[in-house]
Amino acid sequence: SQTIHQWPATLVQPVGSPLSLECTVEGTSNPNLYWYRQAAGRGLQLLFYSVGIGQISSEVPQNLSASRPQDRQFILSSKKLLLSDSGFYLCAWSKPTGTGDTQYFGPGTRLTVL
Amino acid sequence: AQSVTQLDSHVSVSEGTPVLLRCNYSSSYSPSLFWYVQHPNKGLQLLLKYTSAATLVKGINGFEAEFKKSETSFHLTKPSAHMSDAAEYFCVVSVTTGGSYIPTFGRGTSLIVHP
Repeated sequence: SQTIHQWPATLVQPVGSPLSLECTVEGTSNPNLYWYRQAAGRGLQLLFYSVGIGQISSEVPQNLSASRPQDRQFILSSKKLLLSDSGFYLCAWSKPTGTGDTQYFGPGTRLTVL
Repeated sequence: AQSVTQLDSHVSVSEGTPVLLRCNYSSSYSPSLFWYVQHPNKGLQLLLKYTSAATLVKGINGFEAEFKKSETSFHLTKPSAHMSDAAEYFCVVSVTTGGSYIPTFGRGTSLIVHP
């Protein structure tokens, strides 16, 4: 069976510090990978998605970046965090099927920028 | 282009009464539609999905949804609410084009269940 891991579960960082969140998927190959942010009381905002190693599409311009160094590893980074980067970060994967791809979500990382 | 509107930001019901969470969508192509549930500080879990098969879709935990093309709706229902159903619910529309799958999420409906 497939599983998706995210770490850390919670993170408190000062403004201006760097960020690295990691997501890994087990039990599948060539998944599509996604990073979402969920601000308090808000819906999900798609930040990045990837259809393969080294292939990253950005949906929202910001001070965040993503990388996919391995097939089942997806990393979200920032060189300098802003207060507005606080939120709940979710990683998800899907298996391309051509129609109605179901997304499977990780447990999330709660980021607080102070 | 595609979009999804969840018509209620909050829905409050008593335990044992029916649940109705409303979702309307727009899509230029035949869409796939999903409902996900999120409990506090957790990831999202798939409840059910529609992909052009039967218009009445049954999901987990007694939930079901009906795809109505003429009304562009995909409302989520459950006959009898449980306390454990209290959570945030997201309606999602997606169209797969050119190998890319970019889902569009609604803003969510918070379901409150009173004892």
